[in-house]
Amino acid sequence: KQEVTQIPAALSVPEGENLVLNCSFTDSAIYNLQWFRQDPGKGLTSLLLIQSSQREQTSGRLNASLDKSSGRSTLYIAASQPGDSATYLCAGLSGNTPLVFGKGTRLSVIA
Amino acid sequence: DTGVSQDPRHKITKRGQNVTFRCDPISEHNRLYWYRQTLGQGPEFLTYFQNEAQLEKSRLLSDRFSAERPKGSFSTLEIQRTEQGDSAMYLCASSFGWASDQPQHFGDGTRLSIL
Repeated sequence: KQEVTQIPAALSVPEGENLVLNCSFTDSAIYNLQWFRQDPGKGLTSLLLIQSSQREQTSGRLNASLDKSSGRSTLYIAASQPGDSATYLCAGLSGNTPLVFGKGTRLSVIA
Repeated sequence: DTGVSQDPRHKITKRGQNVTFRCDPISEHNRLYWYRQTLGQGPEFLTYFQNEAQLEKSRLLSDRFSAERPKGSFSTLEIQRTEQGDSAMYLCASSFGWASDQPQHFGDGTRLSIL
């Protein structure tokens, strides 16, 4: 059974800093891993999806990596801005099982 | 592309009442998913449809819950005889394609509060 863990649960950084969010998963036979952003009281916004055959994906200031052998994914945010403040969730898909989410990392970027 | 739409955004009801939520997926997305999210937790899978067929249901989906997608377009999620523990955000997502390798796009959810 796939389990997804995100550390830390919360993170506060000054504006302009580069930062890394961590996601670990237990089933290395992962099919894909997706990173989402969630603003308070809102739904999830898809940021990046990494297929099992890929090692990383980039979109603007965001870069996500996937290491199946170690069961880890990271989301790198460059030059953080106050507008990046949100909860970031990762979710893994394995075989025919539904998407399994971590509990998220709550990010605060201080101006 | 107007995104995934959910209605209502908020629902407050008394324990024991029935409630129904609606989800309109992104047009031409053949897969539709329902999730439940409680405070401080990630979303938990409830069920999903491929076109009009309900292909999988979580053990979280007790017999008080029922979901339909009658014409393969919009979907409804009904909860009968609501309980305090049903208070949560109910999220709908949709994706395109037959394989499970397409990103899921989420709506803003329906927040259910049971008095």
